Amino acid sequence: DTAVSQTPKYLVTQMGNDKSIKCEQNLGHDTMYWYKQDSKKFLKIMFSYNNKELIINETVPNRFSPKSPDKAHLNLHINSLELGDSAVYFCASSQGGTGPGELFFGEGSRLTVL
Amino acid sequence: KQEVTQIPAALSVPEGENLVLNCSFTDSAIYNLQWFRQDPGKGLTSLLLIQSSQREQTSGRLNASLDKSSGRSTLYIAASQPGDSATYLCAVPSGGYQKVTFGIGTKLQVIP
Repeated sequence: DTAVSQTPKYLVTQMGNDKSIKCEQNLGHDTMYWYKQDSKKFLKIMFSYNNKELIINETVPNRFSPKSPDKAHLNLHINSLELGDSAVYFCASSQGGTGPGELFFGEGSRLTVL
Repeated sequence: KQEVTQIPAALSVPEGENLVLNCSFTDSAIYNLQWFRQDPGKGLTSLLLIQSSQREQTSGRLNASLDKSSGRSTLYIAASQPGDSATYLCAVPSGGYQKVTFGIGTKLQVIP
């Protein structure tokens, strides 16, 4: 039973389109994240939600809009896709507390913008 | 702002060798440090999590140490195997307790 699952695994789309990625975790964690891994394999945080509340919002274009309907789900919607959005997007979760708990990652969603 | 550096960027060793991967970070006020491995086209798999109060953690052939005062962690892999070939990343919290910064990783190849 997958702990952190994301769908779809692959997206190929044209510039200007809108796309969404969904993430679900069954670990009972309070905190969920979106990370972006670019072509140079650098992994950078985009957003974090704790119990459905946005707690981290990095310098990300407002074309990216996360949404957390409940603490087990965190979705990412991207409007007006650009070539530079091509990357692998990872969802992760952890148990919050005094400090960040152990991070668990999904398998990633590879977005290719043509 | 936390910065995480991993050295070397790539490493190729013959099977059976013991090896050490290094991770350094600039802000020593950390809660914990986590080591991951990433296989090509896959997500990150957690290997070890060291709390700030700990000096090391062990799991099988892996041993991770943490020296907060010097801003360093090492991942020791004993008796390396071809299946250990992957990219190894370290991650440390920064700038807000839930914000984790990653190093760029060390790409390890173990040659049979």
